[in-house]
Amino acid sequence: GEDVEQSLFLSVREGDSSVINCTYTDSSSTYLYWYKQEPGAGLQLLTYIFSNMDMKQDQRLTVLLNKKDKHLSLRIADTQTGDSAIYFCAPSRGPGGSYIPTFGRGTSLIVHP
Amino acid sequence: DTGVSQDPRHKITKRGQNVTFRCDPISEHNRLYWYRQTLGQGPEFLTYFQNEAQLEKSRLLSDRFSAERPKGSFSTLEIQRTEQGDSAMYLCASSSTRRQETQYFGPGTRLLVL
Repeated sequence: GEDVEQSLFLSVREGDSSVINCTYTDSSSTYLYWYKQEPGAGLQLLTYIFSNMDMKQDQRLTVLLNKKDKHLSLRIADTQTGDSAIYFCAPSRGPGGSYIPTFGRGTSLIVHP
Repeated sequence: DTGVSQDPRHKITKRGQNVTFRCDPISEHNRLYWYRQTLGQGPEFLTYFQNEAQLEKSRLLSDRFSAERPKGSFSTLEIQRTEQGDSAMYLCASSSTRRQETQYFGPGTRLLVL
């Protein structure tokens, strides 16, 4: 099955950029998602990238995909204290896999003033 | 849209008791998913429905777990003879026919088995 690896923690200063990295193993992954989870809450879909793209930008968020190395990253520009949360990388096989994502353990982003 | 709702938000039960959770998806979303999230882990897929049909079940879904979606709208997840290892957050998500790749998650039901 799919394995998804992420660093557990990332600490940044307010106003800096944050980069959260993820590696996965399933080369059949076609939709690669980033979710955000605040304490005690459900998951919020932030963005996703299709496997035939190598970059996607959405306001402060930039997703980079290196399909050859199976490496995905999420960059948050001008990080704010409200961005403090757990971020999950979650690849899926798309329609062939019923769009069911496999989640990593998540990266806890801590933003300090 | 009011979003995906789940009830109850918290449940404390004693080992051996049965519990049932409810999920109301976004109106007209035909797909409904259940996930389980234990402390410090990401969500793990349990099962999903397309309309009233249960199309896929994870091996995590033991015989003590059963899910239904009788009219293709809300869904229930029942755990029989709960064990301490069932303590987790149970998350529900839904997606529409036109945007199947986008799942919207509910706030979850946190279960604690004593």
